[in-house]
Amino acid sequence: DARVTQTPRHKVTEMGQEVTMRCQPILGHNTVFWYRQTMMQGLELLAYFRNRAPLDDSGMPKDRFSAEMPDATLATLKIQPSEPRDSAVYFCASGSPRTAANTGELFFGEGSRLTVL
Amino acid sequence: QQQVKQSPQSLIVQKGGISIINCAYENTAFDYFPWYQQFPGKGPALLIAIRPDVSEKKEGRFTISFNKSAKQFSLHIMDSQPGDSATYFCAASFGNQFYFGTGTSLTVIP
Repeated sequence: DARVTQTPRHKVTEMGQEVTMRCQPILGHNTVFWYRQTMMQGLELLAYFRNRAPLDDSGMPKDRFSAEMPDATLATLKIQPSEPRDSAVYFCASGSPRTAANTGELFFGEGSRLTVL
Repeated sequence: QQQVKQSPQSLIVQKGGISIINCAYENTAFDYFPWYQQFPGKGPALLIAIRPDVSEKKEGRFTISFNKSAKQFSLHIMDSQPGDSATYFCAASFGNQFYFGTGTSLTVIP
């Protein structure tokens, strides 16, 4: 049963602490996305990787957020230092290469719920 | 700048009724329009999708209507059921880029 795996599922931390969220994309998928979900903004794109290379991180606050793919089986999103306004659910999604026959559907993980006190 | 505008933000429908969620886009480069369904505590999952070369796609009780000239598309849920209560996101895509609407929280009352 192929699925995107995210850890941790829940994280409560204090302001100023470093937070690292991890994602294992579906094997064979070459695109990985990080989204942040809030009530006000819906799903905001934070970062997007294709073949492990970062293609778009314009939605990410650069001073505190960083996203990497150390290898094809792991994507990380790090917040340092964390702030209360970072409290949200963070989703990782992966997709297969887009072709004429394949729409490149995104598969989402179950999310990491972050609370920064 | 929101690439995809979605309305309404929330919707309450009686069991058996029709739920309608609307989305609009500007970028004519988009070539794939999926709808995702999200239950509480879960990630969004693909529900139904359409390409711009057709005006309608139906899968069971779920139908996408697509108006290319107006750059609008909508999700219709026929005979809505309490189990359909969830958040629905429309999206628009080109290449491997996906842009999501802000979501609609649907509640179907028994």
